[in-house]
Amino acid sequence: AQSVTQLDSQVPVFEEAPVELRCNYSSSVSVYLFWYVQYPNQGLQLLLKYLSGSTLVKGINGFEAEFNKSQTSFHLRKPSVHISDTAEYFCAVSRETSGSRLTFGEGTQLTVNP
Amino acid sequence: EAGVTQFPSHSVIEKGQTVTLRCDPISGHDNLYWYRRVMGKEIKFLLHFVKESKQDESGMPNNRFLAERTGGTYSTLKVQPAELEDSGVYFCASSQDQVVHGYTFGSGTRLTVV
Repeated sequence: AQSVTQLDSQVPVFEEAPVELRCNYSSSVSVYLFWYVQYPNQGLQLLLKYLSGSTLVKGINGFEAEFNKSQTSFHLRKPSVHISDTAEYFCAVSRETSGSRLTFGEGTQLTVNP
Repeated sequence: EAGVTQFPSHSVIEKGQTVTLRCDPISGHDNLYWYRRVMGKEIKFLLHFVKESKQDESGMPNNRFLAERTGGTYSTLKVQPAELEDSGVYFCASSQDQVVHGYTFGSGTRLTVV
């Protein structure tokens, strides 16, 4: 079985500051890793995913994440946030098997203040 | 291409009533998933269809929940009779190949049982 822990439920930051949203996972098998974002009153949107290869993954809207196998972490970062980045962010994993379901963390609410 | 469509977007029902949620996946996506998020907790897997067959329904909470996928196209999730603890946001996602394209989520149905 897999589990995902998002270490911060709420992250308030000021506009143009850097941000890191932390995610750790546990799994007895190899997994794919994902970050999703949910803007207010919208569905989940894929930010980025790690499948294999380079451990630094770049996504949409200037976000990136680094896979660290030894730490079993997949932290999400952005060097300078905007008001429009205010949303809830979800880290998720799936087994490396076609059609496998996602296991999510509890989410991190990022609030960007002016 | 059209995204994953869910309706209704909101539903308020009384305890003991029946509610049916519908999900229209992206055309051609064989995999369809239902997830639920209850009161700020993590998004939890309910079940997975491959075409019209239930591949995994291990996340279904109890036998008050019934999911169907007619002809491998749209899916319905019926809750009968609804209980207070069924309140939450129900998400549907579809995928053809999670490696290449990932999972596409709908906007969710917010169910409130009063």
